[in-house]
Amino acid sequence: AQTVTQSQPEMSVQEAETVTLSCTYDTSESNYYLFWYKQPPSRQMILVIRQEAYKQQNATENRFSVNFQKAAKSFSLKISDSQLGDTAMYFCAFMKPPTGNQFYFGTGTSLTVIP
Amino acid sequence: KAGVTQTPRYLIKTRGQQVTLSCSPISGHRSVSWYQQTPGQGLQFLFEYFSETQRNKGNFPGRFSGRQFSNSRSEMNVSTLELGDSALYLCASSLGSARDADIQYFGAGTRLSVL
Repeated sequence: AQTVTQSQPEMSVQEAETVTLSCTYDTSESNYYLFWYKQPPSRQMILVIRQEAYKQQNATENRFSVNFQKAAKSFSLKISDSQLGDTAMYFCAFMKPPTGNQFYFGTGTSLTVIP
Repeated sequence: KAGVTQTPRYLIKTRGQQVTLSCSPISGHRSVSWYQQTPGQGLQFLFEYFSETQRNKGNFPGRFSGRQFSNSRSEMNVSTLELGDSALYLCASSLGSARDADIQYFGAGTRLSVL
């Protein structure tokens, strides 16, 4: 079975600063996908960024980027120029095709952006 | 385009009762997945339906069941409710490709409280 570990239950960052959220996973698979989802206080989960394991290039989406280290099974999320709207729970998730949409989630990191 | 709609948003039930939750996916999406979110266990996968068939199943007891209709709308049923079933139940929809990593779009969830 796949496991996803987020070792930072809570983090805070000053507005406009950069913060990195950690995620490690355990799998024997070689082909899989990794995701970061954001869950603001409104509860709706929103996709932040996605990474295919076969791609060596790290994914980026505007202020969000990942550091994907396949050998170390590490998938950290970097948020640059943090904004108040980034305050949310962040979940790291793993998915292995072709098993359909069975996602394995970490326990989450609660990020607070301080004005 | 309307998002994923879950009804009701809140439910209060007593032990031993049963409950049915509803999820309407994004138009054109054929896969619906259900997750249970609790503070202690995080997000846990319940099951996934695709084209009216259960395609994946998590490790939950048989009291948790679901179904999907021809219009892709899905319902989840929990029978003989227990206090530990109190949780936020999230539904996610996607196109349903089993070969590639679909992006899952989440609803706002149904908060179930069992008294």
